Amino acid sequence: DQQVKQNSPSLSVQEGRISILNCDYTNSMFDYFLWYKKYPAEGPTFLISISSIKDKNEDGRFTVFLNKSAKHLSLHIVPSQPGDSAVYFCAGGARYSSNTGKLIFGQGTTLQVKP
Amino acid sequence: DAGITQSPRHKVTETGTPVTLRCHQTENHRYMYWYRQDPGHGLRLIHYSYGVKDTDKGEVSDGYSVSRSKTEDFLLTLESATSSQTSVYFCAIRGGLEGNQPQHFGDGTRLSIL
Repeated sequence: DQQVKQNSPSLSVQEGRISILNCDYTNSMFDYFLWYKKYPAEGPTFLISISSIKDKNEDGRFTVFLNKSAKHLSLHIVPSQPGDSAVYFCAGGARYSSNTGKLIFGQGTTLQVKP
Repeated sequence: DAGITQSPRHKVTETGTPVTLRCHQTENHRYMYWYRQDPGHGLRLIHYSYGVKDTDKGEVSDGYSVSRSKTEDFLLTLESATSSQTSVYFCAIRGGLEGNQPQHFGDGTRLSIL
């Protein structure tokens, strides 16, 4: 049972355009979500998060949208840059059921931004 | 960057041998985690620790054990390695009291079991 799904294994966009990465979840207990970026041979790096009480969180070029009724979140990158080319993971956590900080990750989406 | 060091960075070993991976942090964080990353599965939690000598299982804990005798070190042991444990292993740490604080990851250990 995959509680967090990223159904698109890969995405290719032109530099300067918008990149939209999608994530679906099934666990209604998740109350916060995070996005991580991963370059080859490095560990994942935290990018942005959102609490379930919000529907949008913005940090510079990165915006995460949450649709709780659809159990769907998306990460928008505007404008996309070649340095954004990486694997992106979404993750869900349930803070109020446990303070352990355990996360469930999706499979990842490889983003390629072409110059 | 969070002060996390994983060692070794690469290891090749044979089936049936014991293997220990080390995660060392300099942040004095309470929570530490071990994940494995495999194609098509993303990152899956193996074990985690919420303090010295306090550990618990994650979603894929079979075949793995952990120990945390000091705040800064979290060890992952494969008692008898199998080929299915070939993977990239990541350690993560988390500070703060709130469960929604982000985890910060080390650069991983690539483990190959022949």
